[in-house]
Amino acid sequence: EVQLVESGGGLVRPGGSLRLSCAASGFNFGVHGMNWVRQAPGKGLEWVSTINWDGRTTGYAGSVRGRFTISRDNARASLFLQMNSLRVEDTAFYYCTELGDAYSPGYWGQGTLVTVSS
Amino acid sequence: EIVLTQSPATLSLSPGERATLSCRASQSVSSSLAWYQHKPGQAPRLLIYDASNRATGIPARFSGSGYGTDFTLTISSLEAEDFAFYYCQQRSNWYSFGQGTKLEI
Repeated sequence: EVQLVESGGGLVRPGGSLRLSCAASGFNFGVHGMNWVRQAPGKGLEWVSTINWDGRTTGYAGSVRGRFTISRDNARASLFLQMNSLRVEDTAFYYCTELGDAYSPGYWGQGTLVTVSS
Repeated sequence: EIVLTQSPATLSLSPGERATLSCRASQSVSSSLAWYQHKPGQAPRLLIYDASNRATGIPARFSGSGYGTDFTLTISSLEAEDFAFYYCQQRSNWYSFGQGTKLEI
């Protein structure tokens, strides 16, 4: 059974930092590009960041570029998101996901809630 | 960044009817477009990739079409479990999602 389990969310003040983690199991994590997608309460899905299979290529949405850093540890089948200079508008559920394609149906975690508030 | 605009925002239909959802990109994405179904409390489910290819296990009543900037998701005959939110996603220049269409009974 495929599992993606996020952790590290919580309440943080504007300007603060959080580090999200995602533990993967049940599939060959090390060969897949991985992503973070978020959903603010009552809003739609928003792509946040992507990292390729070996960690050498990363991409970010304009809204987080320069503040967030994605990384991975294939030996531990783990994905990370370091979030700095957090803003109120970063409040959302953050999902770890392999988005799917011709070779994969796609996998999603259950999400972790990040709340940025004073 | 590529902006995706979905229409309509809400689509009200009955079981058995045909649903047509649209997605327009701010610049060409070729065929690098996916569609997802999302129900509250559940993980999004990939329906269509590369504009017109059904993902594994997706029923044949779901079909996608389009190229460049204009795309369509069609559900040929709605079933009760199809009422949900639908998002298009471009995969041409990194990623981005449309704002979603709510398909309601």
